[in-house]
Amino acid sequence: GQQVMQIPQYQHVQEGEDFTTYCNSSTTLSNIQWYKQRPGGHPVFLIQLVKSGEVKKQKRLTFQFGEAKKNSSLHITATQTTDVGTYFCAGLGTDSWGKLQFGAGTQVVVTP
Amino acid sequence: DGGITQSPKYLFRKEGQNVTLSCEQNLNHDAMYWYRQDPGQGLRLIYYSQIVNDFQKGDIAEGYSVSREKKESFPLTVTSAQKNPTAFYLCASSRDREGETQYFGPGTRLLVL
Repeated sequence: GQQVMQIPQYQHVQEGEDFTTYCNSSTTLSNIQWYKQRPGGHPVFLIQLVKSGEVKKQKRLTFQFGEAKKNSSLHITATQTTDVGTYFCAGLGTDSWGKLQFGAGTQVVVTP
Repeated sequence: DGGITQSPKYLFRKEGQNVTLSCEQNLNHDAMYWYRQDPGQGLRLIYYSQIVNDFQKGDIAEGYSVSREKKESFPLTVTSAQKNPTAFYLCASSRDREGETQYFGPGTRLLVL
């Protein structure tokens, strides 16, 4: 079945630095979504990518969908303490009816 | 104030006991989902429902049951057959079944005594 892998599992970042988290699917995706979960909270939708090669930006966050629609990345520039949390990607397979397959997440810790 | 509510926030279960977790949404969403989250892991789908009176097993349905008698409500029962129920349970909904954004409730933390 469809599997979504995320790397790294943990990311320790100095405040002000940049980092990237990656998401890879074993199958081609219809779309990919990114969610953020703050410590003790619930996942909150960030963005959805649908088109091959699509790039979207939200302030310091840049999201990219691969040309083959099997991988995605989230790049954060000038990391701030408010970026702390776990970032999940979730892929929708081409034949999986609305069933998102979540990656295990990248837990981000920011050091002041 | 629209959204998804889950209750209770914390729940304690004794050995051999069934417990039911509540999930209600007033977003008029057709699809609803239950996920389980364990520390350091992603979200695993337990059950999902596209429409009222219909639901499907997810990846880890064993030991769980659901009902969808109303569009707004999708309760999850953790039965005594679930041998390792301690986890964070998240309910979500989406407008329809076509891979739309999922909106999550605040979650219920279940602990076995």
